[in-house]
Amino acid sequence: KAGVTQTPRYLIKTRGQQVTLSCSPISGHRSVSWYQQTPGQGLQFLFEYFSETQRNKGNFPGRFSGRQFSNSRSEMNVSTLELGDSALYLCASSLARVGEQYFGPGTRLTVT
Amino acid sequence: QKEVEQDPGPLSVPEGAIVSLNCTYSNSAFQYFMWYRQYSRKGPELLMYTYSSGNKEDGRFTAQVDKSSKYISLFIRDSQPSDSATYLCAMIRTGNQFYFGTGTSLTVIP
Repeated sequence: KAGVTQTPRYLIKTRGQQVTLSCSPISGHRSVSWYQQTPGQGLQFLFEYFSETQRNKGNFPGRFSGRQFSNSRSEMNVSTLELGDSALYLCASSLARVGEQYFGPGTRLTVT
Repeated sequence: QKEVEQDPGPLSVPEGAIVSLNCTYSNSAFQYFMWYRQYSRKGPELLMYTYSSGNKEDGRFTAQVDKSSKYISLFIRDSQPSDSATYLCAMIRTGNQFYFGTGTSLTVIP
């Protein structure tokens, strides 16, 4: 069974630009969550989608947004990039809303 | 104060040692507890998942949960160099929101 895939794996952007990251969950998984990982803050929850609806949102500014499609694939968007947005962005999928999460390899975003 | 606290280490042990990794939490609403292992430049990998107090064993790994003390542990027996990674504790409370510790970096020296 294929795991969670994320594209692109690496990205370099300039301050002020916007970026879209993509996540394909494990087949059959309907819940997709996004996290930001930085050395200082660790893993921080961004948002969770289940059946195309955002169910939970973490404490991030409105520049961070996401969506989920009918095939459970998800995208997250960050607008007006800041230097502090440089991080590893991880996507995780699970079969049910309360369940074990399986992570993708992440997208490493560098903002210059 | 963070809801989940984890000693960042780093922790360095000789091969074959027993490793103890710990997390504490402040919110008694946490119901599910997990341990993840993350190798460099990879996403976290689920190791153990439990929802009750007590011990759960899987091979060389034992997860321990003490809800009365708000304390969870992961024990690794007969540690191997391949166990060298960052270990993250995670917890879920009502609403399926995950909270992670900041991770403990472990190195097992051959």
